[in-house]
Amino acid sequence: GQNIDQPTEMTATEGAIVQINCTYQTSGFNGLFWYQQHAGEAPTFLSYNVLDGLEEKGRFSSFLSRSKGYSYLLLKELQMKDSASYLCAVRDGGGGADGLTFGKGTHLIIQP
Amino acid sequence: DAGITQSPRHKVTETGTPVTLRCHQTENHRYMYWYRQDPGHGLRLIHYSYGVKDTDKGEVSDGYSVSRSKTEDFLLTLESATSSQTSVYFCAISDGTASYGYTFGSGTRLTVV
Repeated sequence: GQNIDQPTEMTATEGAIVQINCTYQTSGFNGLFWYQQHAGEAPTFLSYNVLDGLEEKGRFSSFLSRSKGYSYLLLKELQMKDSASYLCAVRDGGGGADGLTFGKGTHLIIQP
Repeated sequence: DAGITQSPRHKVTETGTPVTLRCHQTENHRYMYWYRQDPGHGLRLIHYSYGVKDTDKGEVSDGYSVSRSKTEDFLLTLESATSSQTSVYFCAISDGTASYGYTFGSGTRLTVV
């Protein structure tokens, strides 16, 4: 079966750094995605990892270790607008038809 | 940049009635998906399509059917709505390339009373 785990909620301070972890056990692996979702809105794409290592994109970075079934999303220089849910998702199939399997999301609260 | 739109945005319906949600895309993407999102469950795949008239079931397909008669439109039908189908429904599209995740529509909030 598919299982993707991430913390339910995290709190961090404006200007600080936060790391959101994701572990997965899936029948296959063809990429890991991170999405941001503000309350009442659609998820929006943040990052994609398919090989081990760190991908950096501005204030956001995402790391993948396939052997450990582990990823994290690192957010730097936190801003109040970063308060949102962050969704980890795995593509376990080889083709575009296969839907992504999502974790339940991590609700990130940024405090002044 | 409304490459994907969902309608209606909100709907209240009675138990036992059929309901159809529409997803329309202007990106000419091959793959389209319907998800539902519920507290404590995250996003769960209902049905997906990999081309015109080509559809398949996802994780939570019971009570739902879909149709895709044109590349741009993917319809989700609740054959006889139940209160357990109260949810937020998201449509998503993909061009199928490995690094392309999904683009999501704005969602439909459905309440079954």
